[in-house]
Amino acid sequence: EPEVTQTPSHQVTQMGQEVILRCVPISNHLYFYWYRQILGQKVEFLVSFYNNEISEKSEIFDDQFSVERPDGSNFTLKIRSTKLEDSAMYFCASSDEIAGGPREETQYFGPGTRLLVL
Amino acid sequence: KQEVTQIPAALSVPEGENLVLNCSFTDSAIYNLQWFRQDPGKGLTSLLLIQSSQREQTSGRLNASLDKSSGRSTLYIAASQPGDSATYLCAVKAAGNKLTFGGGTRVLVKP
Repeated sequence: EPEVTQTPSHQVTQMGQEVILRCVPISNHLYFYWYRQILGQKVEFLVSFYNNEISEKSEIFDDQFSVERPDGSNFTLKIRSTKLEDSAMYFCASSDEIAGGPREETQYFGPGTRLLVL
Repeated sequence: KQEVTQIPAALSVPEGENLVLNCSFTDSAIYNLQWFRQDPGKGLTSLLLIQSSQREQTSGRLNASLDKSSGRSTLYIAASQPGDSATYLCAVKAAGNKLTFGGGTRVLVKP
């Protein structure tokens, strides 16, 4: 069964360093997402991506964050200068597009990358 | 702004009992509602998706209902098993493509 994969599973970094989190969405999906979950808190939406551009982003997704689809399979989230409060589990998700757009479709989540900023 | 609430936050039942998990949302203009399972330190596994036009969706021992007008969904798990122990999250999709999540219900099924 197709699944979303993410690497690395864990990342420890120093405050101020850049990190890149990688995701391989399900191959025939066209919409991609990043969410995060700070320990003990709700899962929060960060950004959605379609047709090689950001389609929606939250207020959390400021200039320190960027996303990219560098090739036909990978989808990355970059944090330019990490802060302590960026420590969280980051989830990538993808969904298919159907006639009328993806609004009816299931979002499939990857296993997450646990980021710890020291 | 859409707010999603799940009550109770935690639930403990003996094996074999039926589970009833509640989810409420403040803005009824949703496109769909999705239920997820999350095991400790793990990702989210999609269980069921209910379209806004549907009242109910079933998969095996799982049944989810949706009352859009009152802003409620309920997930029923029949004949619970210890393997059902996990956190269950509901999420709604409204305007745009993002999901808005509830805080989850942590379920423990005791053998």
